[in-house]
Amino acid sequence: DTEVTQTPKHLVMGMTNKKSLKCEQHMGHRAMYWYKQKAKKPPELMFVYSYEKLSINESVPSRFSPECPNSSLLNLHLHALQPEDSALYLCASSQGQGRGAYEQYFGPGTRLTVT
Amino acid sequence: AQTVTQSQPEMSVQEAETVTLSCTYDTSESNYYLFWYKQPPSRQMILVIRQEAYKQQNATENRFSVNFQKAAKSFSLKISDSQLGDTAMYFCAFLSYYGGSQGNLIFGKGTKLSVKP
Repeated sequence: DTEVTQTPKHLVMGMTNKKSLKCEQHMGHRAMYWYKQKAKKPPELMFVYSYEKLSINESVPSRFSPECPNSSLLNLHLHALQPEDSALYLCASSQGQGRGAYEQYFGPGTRLTVT
Repeated sequence: AQTVTQSQPEMSVQEAETVTLSCTYDTSESNYYLFWYKQPPSRQMILVIRQEAYKQQNATENRFSVNFQKAAKSFSLKISDSQLGDTAMYFCAFLSYYGGSQGNLIFGKGTKLSVKP
């Protein structure tokens, strides 16, 4: 089973709202990732959790707040977003981030629209 | 720093024909992984094929195969017997073998492939 699930599939929020994106995997992977993808562009890495600890934060604005409650779950909390934050948000997981770490499996994404 | 270049922004192919997508990369490492991901209009990113740099044999997955030229730092994807369902954006990606902060996918800009009936 190489499935990564994400909820919701679509989200429309105002600039003053607070919402959360959720991601789950049951492959026993120990690294999980959040990406942001604009139309016709490759995904851009936002955050990496390795063994439930934030290991990489690619200078993302503080209005995005990641959380990893356990090794299977990854959340992205959203607050006071801007219209330019509208994008597809992809979650991915991999076995780990150490030597020999392997490929990433992606979820279907959450299409976010900020009005 | 590693870079991945896909020089073909868009390509089209007739159904049942063969098409090759190009990818070149730059790295000073000797061990790494290369991947092709497919992203259809549904937007789910799907792993198509992977290649480990220390393996000389080119990877094959059904109708998909790669031509890996390590010295030339080239990693092209060949799709045989193209099907309408192959219509998608294809991303070439590099992954360092050594992990850590380098253990993140480096994507090319993508090639949009259209398969025409």
